[in-house]
Amino acid sequence: KNEVEQSPQNLTAQEGEFITINCSYSVGISALHWLQQHPGGGIVSLFMLSSGKKKHGRLIATINIQEKHSSLHITASHPRDSAVYICAVSSPYSGGGADGLTFGKGTHLIIQP
Amino acid sequence: DVKVTQSSRYLVKRTGEKVFLECVQDMDHENMFWYRQDPGLGLRLIYFSYDVKMKEKGDIPEGYSVSREKKERFSLILESASTNQTSMYLCASSFWRSSYNEQFFGPGTRLTVL
Repeated sequence: KNEVEQSPQNLTAQEGEFITINCSYSVGISALHWLQQHPGGGIVSLFMLSSGKKKHGRLIATINIQEKHSSLHITASHPRDSAVYICAVSSPYSGGGADGLTFGKGTHLIIQP
Repeated sequence: DVKVTQSSRYLVKRTGEKVFLECVQDMDHENMFWYRQDPGLGLRLIYFSYDVKMKEKGDIPEGYSVSREKKERFSLILESASTNQTSMYLCASSFWRSSYNEQFFGPGTRLTVL
């Protein structure tokens, strides 16, 4: 079963700072997902990537398949970016069957004005 | 706009009660999932289903059962609720043929068992 580790667990930063959240996993994957969860519970998908880099607005996600590592970056952070960011991987080794995802425990991000 | 809905946002039940959590998706997805989310533990898979009347156990199925009588609806059942089942429950769905398993989540149900 894949093990997914995220760091840091908690992060508090000032508005405008550059944010980096890291994710590492233990075995090969077909894709890595970055998810965002705002207070209240709903989870939305930010990125799904299997190689390289993706950018959406102020968010950038990168993945290094050889090192089994991904990073999520937020540029010019804003208080509305405050949320829990969750890394998840999909692979034949995921618990719960062929279509299951294995999740990291999440990073709780607070951006102060 | 794609949508996964859950029957309740907040639910309070007593120990021993039978509890039904319902999830409906309007995207014609084959796969549906039930997770629970607890502080410090992240999301853990309870059950999933890849077709009507089909179900597979996830990582923590004990104390739960599921029902999928129609493609769009997936129900989670707590036969006899216990206090250790107090948690946030999240439903998700995905296409069966999705290589990358992108899942779409519902808003969650925060269940408290007293």
